[in-house]
Amino acid sequence: EAQVTQNPRYLITVTGKKLTVTCSQNMNHEYMSWYRQDPGLGLRQIYYSMNVEVTDKGDVPEGYKVSRKEKRNFPLILESPSPNQTSLYFCASSLPSTGLNSPLHFGNGTRLTVT
Amino acid sequence: DAKTTQPNSMESNEEEPVHLPCNHSTISGTDYIHWYRQLPSQGPEYVIHGLTSNVNNRMASLAIAEDRKSSTLILHRATLRDAAVYYCILREPNAGGTSYGKLTFGQGTILTVHP
Repeated sequence: EAQVTQNPRYLITVTGKKLTVTCSQNMNHEYMSWYRQDPGLGLRQIYYSMNVEVTDKGDVPEGYKVSRKEKRNFPLILESPSPNQTSLYFCASSLPSTGLNSPLHFGNGTRLTVT
Repeated sequence: DAKTTQPNSMESNEEEPVHLPCNHSTISGTDYIHWYRQLPSQGPEYVIHGLTSNVNNRMASLAIAEDRKSSTLILHRATLRDAAVYYCILREPNAGGTSYGKLTFGQGTILTVHP
């Protein structure tokens, strides 16, 4: 089944403890992206990647890092999480990277709580 | 970035048609109009997209104004399972035309379907 898989689904951590949220897709998609969703603010893009080793900032990149070493994986790294990064995170992918008419496929989300 | 404007909420009765409007007055000629919906506790899912002509698929229809400054998502017979937040977004290249990766979601329209 074609899908975008995020892990973990739920994560509770403490301020300053480095964490990684994984995202994997099995559709050979070039484009991948991370969003956070907060009440009243909708979905905001954090980072995106057009292809392996190509990443760029979205609207809210501060406090986050990403890497794209393989086409299928696009992990989101929080080096020193803070409470304002408590949010619902979504990963998405699409094919091809320059396809303005390519639908996005989203994962089921990761709910992160930073205390 | 081109932005979209949608009503905060709409209501419908089951088995009646629903017309969800979206304004995108700053749209440019190469921007595609995409619609996604988000069911409770799930990631957004693709509904439909178009460029200039009206589009139909098994889920919905998309009517695009002749000047492309607005569009309407049409659910022909609403069901209780269509209750969701509907997002209208523009998939657009960046200013230099070198990247198609940045996406901006608005607040979306909360659709309530009454039995």
